[in-house]
Formats: sequence, structure tokens, C-alpha cells
Amino acid sequence: QVQLVQSGAEVKKPGASVKLSCKASGYTFTTYYINWVRQVPGQGLEWMGLINPTGGATSYAQNFQGRVTMTRDTSTSTVYMELISLSAEDTAMYYCARDSRPTGIGDGFDYWGQGTLVTVSS
Amino acid sequence: QSALTQPASVSGSPGQSITITCTGTSSDVGTYNFVSWYQHHPGKAPKLMTYEVNQGPSGVSNRFSGSKSGNTASLTISGLQAEDEADYYCCSYAGRSTWVFGGGTKVTVL
Repeated sequence: QVQLVQSGAEVKKPGASVKLSCKASGYTFTTYYINWVRQVPGQGLEWMGLINPTGGATSYAQNFQGRVTMTRDTSTSTVYMELISLSAEDTAMYYCARDSRPTGIGDGFDYWGQGTLVTVSS
Repeated sequence: QSALTQPASVSGSPGQSITITCTGTSSDVGTYNFVSWYQHHPGKAPKLMTYEVNQGPSGVSNRFSGSKSGNTASLTISGLQAEDEADYYCCSYAGRSTWVFGGGTKVTVL
């Protein structure tokens, strides 16, 4: 069965960076794009960006340009999301989610990871 | 890219139908039919309820239906049930391989 398993909770100090992982299983890793979505406590879902696992091409939301980098390791079917220059406003639950359209974009995010809580505090 | 606009809350009694709106612009909802809706219970991962405006994923109740007119998409929940109480988010493709979510709507079953 399809699964996206994310890395564990992180506690970081302001100014630091965090790198989260999302390990895919149960399907051909390179067939589906992976997105990252976060939810700040008390706020809504926010799309951060996506990566095409085939070639590694990425697209980032304007709000995160320059601070986020998404990469992948096809040998382990894992996608990574690194966010730098953290502030308290980055305290959030971070999710990875698979786009359900094979080799493309458009059919909604059908499988989600369990979420990783990142807490930024001095 | 600004978030899509949703009402903060919608409520209804069991068995009733409710509709949640999602207003975007001609740069997202108005141009693309890649609009999806997600149900989010606190502490759980969001769940895809509809995609491509009005398509239902397998395993999702047909009580959930989507539609779109101009820059506004809608999710209708018919035969409202207690288990439908959750937060609901719309999401639209916004071009250039980007997506935008709505602010979310809290659905309360009275």
C-alpha cells in the first residue's frame, strides 16, 4: 500500500535550518510529484512547493523562495525539504503529499505523510 | 499568490445539505479546472475529497460533490453526518507548477 513516512519532530533555534524527510513506498517513486504543505497552529494549510522525483525539478511558493530547497534520493525513494533562517513564525506541522496524477500535476494530493512538527524557539 | 477566500465557518443539522464556497481569481480558479477539496480532522493528515472540480476519488462518499462557476468553486455536502464535522480546504492550481490553498472553513454539525 502507498505510504509516505516522515521524519520525527524537530526543535530548532531562531536562525537555524531544518531538513525534513519523506520516504515513499508502495508505488514507483519517480511516477508522482511530491508536494510540501504546512500548517501553522491556528492557521490554514499553506502550499510550500513541489518536486518532480524523476529529474529533481522543483517549484516553490513565492513566500518561501530563497529559504526552501527540495531534493530527492531515488535510491531510497526519499524526498527532503530544507528550510533555512527559521523564525518562530515557522513553527508548524509540515506535511508531504503526493500528487495523484502520474508524471504530472493536477489530480489532487491523494496520499499524505503523517506530518512533522517543527518548533522554533529560543 | 494570495490564499483563496473561504467562509470561516458553515453549520448545518444532520441530514441537511451545506455548501462551502472558495473564491479565487482569473489566475487560479477562474482559469484552471484543477480545483480540489480536502477534509482535515485535527491531528490527522488531510484527506482528498474531490479533484478536478467535480471528480470523486475512490472510497470517498458521493455525498461530497464539487462544482465551479467563474472564479468561485464550491463543495456541497449532502446528508450531513456528525463525522463530517471538520475543517475543509479548497486548493487550486495557479499556473507555473504552483498551487494555492483556501483559508479553510470549519464545518459544524448542529
